[in-house]
Amino acid sequence: DTAVSQTPKYLVTQMGNDKSIKCEQNLGHDTMYWYKQDSKKFLKIMFSYNNKELIINETVPNRFSPKSPDKAHLNLHINSLELGDSAVYFCASAPNSGEAYNEQFFGPGTRLTVL
Amino acid sequence: AQTVTQSQPEMSVQEAETVTLSCTYDTSENNYYLFWYKQPPSRQMILVIRQEAYKQQNATENRFSVNFQKAAKSFSLKISDSQLGDTAMYFCAFMKHGDTNAGKSTFGDGTTLTVKP
Repeated sequence: DTAVSQTPKYLVTQMGNDKSIKCEQNLGHDTMYWYKQDSKKFLKIMFSYNNKELIINETVPNRFSPKSPDKAHLNLHINSLELGDSAVYFCASAPNSGEAYNEQFFGPGTRLTVL
Repeated sequence: AQTVTQSQPEMSVQEAETVTLSCTYDTSENNYYLFWYKQPPSRQMILVIRQEAYKQQNATENRFSVNFQKAAKSFSLKISDSQLGDTAMYFCAFMKHGDTNAGKSTFGDGTTLTVKP
């Protein structure tokens, strides 16, 4: 039983294309996140959603648009891909954001390579 | 804003030995949570251990324990009896209690630990 799943695991595409990464969690958590891990392994939060509402939006280009159709899903759509978007993208979820005791459960990551 | 610093980009340890990974953080908050996450070569990020700032007792999980020094804003991870499977990148993370941006974590830059046979 996969707790947090992401598709695809690998994505190779050309500059300028539009792509989406999907994330689903079956843990019943209220909060979901997207993180970007660059080539130096630095992990940075991009977005956070709580019950389908955007809570955190770090300084991310407008080309990145998260969408949460329901609280179990948080998809990431990227327009006009650039070389610098190449990274591993992690989805995560955590229990009710009203509680500070938020252990984050991470997905397996999606390695995006922009050529 | 909170910052988390891991001053050791890489470390190595012999199998069965003990190693300590350092983490310091900067915050004006009094109530918060600290975490250590492990990312093995498989890329899967998993929680190793967590500590509530209001608890004075250091958290332990089997071979993993922390040395939490609130006044010094230090949160080191000690791995005892190191095993080859402990080879991974370790991230220290901070989360404020009751943050309106609920659930926002600040991660350190990570420490790559290699356990040598």
